[in-house]
Amino acid sequence: QVQLQESGPGLVKPSQTLSLICNVSGGSISSGDYYWSWIRQPPGKGLEWVGYISYSGSTYYNPSLKSRITISVDTSKNQFSLKLSSVTAADTAVYSCAVTIAAAGPFDSWGPGTLVTVSS
Amino acid sequence: DIQMTQSPSSLSAFVGDRVTITCRASQSISSYLHWYQQKPGKAPKLLIYAASSLQSGVPSRFSGSGSGTDFTLTISSLQPEDFATYYCQQSYITPWTFGQGTKVETK
Repeated sequence: QVQLQESGPGLVKPSQTLSLICNVSGGSISSGDYYWSWIRQPPGKGLEWVGYISYSGSTYYNPSLKSRITISVDTSKNQFSLKLSSVTAADTAVYSCAVTIAAAGPFDSWGPGTLVTVSS
Repeated sequence: DIQMTQSPSSLSAFVGDRVTITCRASQSISSYLHWYQQKPGKAPKLLIYAASSLQSGVPSRFSGSGSGTDFTLTISSLQPEDFATYYCQQSYITPWTFGQGTKVETK
């Protein structure tokens, strides 16, 4: 079973860029029909899907965040990353990576999540 | 975007109770509906996929039904470890969206 683990700074200043990495183990990030997603959850609130990068390298970003997001993959390290620019306090959330093992399938496996706080 | 609306937002129940949570989509999503359980400080766990298929390892007291716009998650006999927040999620069309969650608390 694929396992995921997020890493990155827990504190980011307003207007700066949030950068997170998701390390993948137990499977290849290049495996066919896998979609690697980022999902966030502000403290005490619900879940928001941020976007994905597919096994073929195509990306889809949530339109609510599209202008600020970049998701990329590093196949040599079996990891993918999230960059969110021009952050504000509203971007404070637990960020989780997850995998969908089929087009339009559920999020089969999740990382434990990492809290990122935007504050000066 | 497809809006997912869960009801109720919270409920109180006893161990052994039958619990039903509903999820309504703002347009038809066929059976592209999935249910997750989340406990405090933990990542969500997949319970039901494709509206009614039980994820491997999930107890059979959990079941899902529905298609189109209306879906239900049922816990046939609530156990102490089932007190948690439950979310539905559609994968019919991007952006994939979640319901706002239903918190199941002990009465």
